[in-house]
Amino acid sequence: ELKVEQNPLFLSMQEGKNYTIYCNYSTTSDRLYWYRQDPGKSLESLFVLLSNGAVKQEGRLMASLDTKARLSTLHITAAVHDLSATYFCAVDIGSTDKLIFGTGTRLQVFP
Amino acid sequence: GAGVSQSPSNKVTEKGKDVELRCDPISGHTALYWYRQSLGQGLEFLIYFQGNSAPDKSGLPSDRFSAERTGGSVSTLTIQRTQQEDSAVYLCASSTYGRDSYNEQFFGPGTRLTVL
Repeated sequence: ELKVEQNPLFLSMQEGKNYTIYCNYSTTSDRLYWYRQDPGKSLESLFVLLSNGAVKQEGRLMASLDTKARLSTLHITAAVHDLSATYFCAVDIGSTDKLIFGTGTRLQVFP
Repeated sequence: GAGVSQSPSNKVTEKGKDVELRCDPISGHTALYWYRQSLGQGLEFLIYFQGNSAPDKSGLPSDRFSAERTGGSVSTLTIQRTQQEDSAVYLCASSTYGRDSYNEQFFGPGTRLTVL
């Protein structure tokens, strides 16, 4: 059974600091997705990573994928309050045509 | 352009009643997915449609759950004889997924179902 694990589950960080969220998955895949969810809202697509070594950046967020290690990271640079949300990674193993989501990381940025 | 829409946004029902949840995908998206999000179980896949066919129903938790899609567009998720454990947010997503393309799914706002 495919498992997707994120850590930490909860992250409280000060504005201006850097941190990394980790996403490990248990089977071979070369497609990984990051989503953001604000409280009471739906999921917003952030990044699509399609190959080993893929790196994408948007503002203060940067995502990378290492398919050999079955690991993706979401790096936050100089956090601001607006980044407070829950972040999910998801893996698409192709044959099933569905996304398997991680547990989510709830990020809280305080002044 | 218009995104994925779902209705109703909130539904409160009594245990044992049937409910229907509706999803309108992004125009032109051939793939449609239903997921469920609950505190205890996180985000779970329920069913996948490609066109009007459902090649993957593996996530439906019981035979009380069914879904259909008509005209390659609107989908309805039906829950019969609702139970309290069915309380969750039901999310619909659509994509242009094909065998040679990636599967970026775009999510609707969800339907929050509460079974009393």
